[in-house]
Amino acid sequence: EDQVTQSPEALRLQEGESSSLNCSYTVSGLRGLFWYRQDPGKGPEFLFTLYSAGEEKEKERLKATLTKKESFLHITAPKPEDSATYLCAVQIFGETSGSRLTFGEGTQLTVNP
Amino acid sequence: DTGVSQDPRHKITKRGQNVTFRCDPISEHNRLYWYRQTLGQGPEFLTYFQNEAQLEKSRLLSDRFSAERPKGSFSTLEIQRTEQGDSAMYLCASSPSTAAYEQYFGPGTRLTVT
Repeated sequence: EDQVTQSPEALRLQEGESSSLNCSYTVSGLRGLFWYRQDPGKGPEFLFTLYSAGEEKEKERLKATLTKKESFLHITAPKPEDSATYLCAVQIFGETSGSRLTFGEGTQLTVNP
Repeated sequence: DTGVSQDPRHKITKRGQNVTFRCDPISEHNRLYWYRQTLGQGPEFLTYFQNEAQLEKSRLLSDRFSAERPKGSFSTLEIQRTEQGDSAMYLCASSPSTAAYEQYFGPGTRLTVT
């Protein structure tokens, strides 16, 4: 069964303290790995898609990387406005899977000023 | 605003009542998805439309749940005979055929069943 596990569940950082969030996955055939940001009471906001091992993407203070078993979301010099839940999701190949995303449970990030 | 919109944003209903939610996707997107999210969990896939055709349904989608997308534009999700376990955030997402893997989410409808 396809599985996505995110760690840690919660992370508290001081402003400017860089860190990484982890997403490990066990799937039959990865089509793409997605990172989303979700603020309380809102829908997930798309951040990145990664398709193959070794791929990296950056946006402002965020950088996502992908290996064959996991993805990391690196946050450099975070600010309080980066506080949110970060969700990882996978999409797999296969006729029965369609285009569904399978999500992890998320990492709740809090950045203190 | 040209993003995905959902209506209503909040719904409180009594157990046993029927509820219907609406989703308007981004205008040029032909794929539409419904997910359900409970507190502290990631979204769970419910169903998927390509244009007006419902191509996939999760086993989470019991007989009490039905979704439609009659003209390939907006979609509705109906829950009949609601139960307390149906309390959740119901999220709609859409994606274009040209970049079908990237799904863009709406703000969600928060359902509370009392």
